[in-house]
Amino acid sequence: AQKVTQAQTEISVVEKEDVTLDCVYETRDTTYYLFWYKQPPSGELVFLIRRNSFDEQNEISGRYSWNFQKSTSSFNFTITASQVVDSAVYFCALSEVNNAGNMLTFGGGTRLMVKP
Amino acid sequence: ETGVTQTPRHLVMGMTNKKSLKCEQHLGHNAMYWYKQSAKKPLELMFVYSLEERVENNSVPSRFSPECPNSSHLFLHLHTLQPEDSALYLCASSDRALGHNEQFFGPGTRLTVL
Repeated sequence: AQKVTQAQTEISVVEKEDVTLDCVYETRDTTYYLFWYKQPPSGELVFLIRRNSFDEQNEISGRYSWNFQKSTSSFNFTITASQVVDSAVYFCALSEVNNAGNMLTFGGGTRLMVKP
Repeated sequence: ETGVTQTPRHLVMGMTNKKSLKCEQHLGHNAMYWYKQSAKKPLELMFVYSLEERVENNSVPSRFSPECPNSSHLFLHLHTLQPEDSALYLCASSDRALGHNEQFFGPGTRLTVL
């Protein structure tokens, strides 16, 4: 069975600090995809990134960067120079594909609070 | 309208009421999903529809009844709910054909069962 663990339930930082959100996953599949979503107070989950299991290159998008380490089954997310608008709940998710389509298993989420 | 919309955004109902949640996607996707987000649990997948057929029912009580009349619309019919059913209900859609695609979520319906 698939499992995603986000050990940090809540993180509080001051604006401009860097912050890393941890994600550890378990799967028996050799092919899988990992995702990060952001859930602001409005409630809607916003897609941030998708990474497949064969691509271990780290990715950077503006202030966001992701570190995929297959050896440790981790897919961590770093926000550089955090801003108040980054305050949200962040979810890591793991995808398996079966006949039904794209099934996501979500972690419990990390609530990030960025204070001015 | 763009993306995934859900109505109503907030709903308060008694345990004997019958109500329906509506989801509409304007993205041309062919798979739609219902999730439940409770205060202290991870997002739980409830139902998946692919090409308008239900393909996943994740041990959801029968008091929740989904309906997908076409690839753009998804409903969740509610009846005789319990207070523990109070949660944020999120709808999502994806392009199933391409596999492993990101799901696009609506803003959710905040349901309170009295």
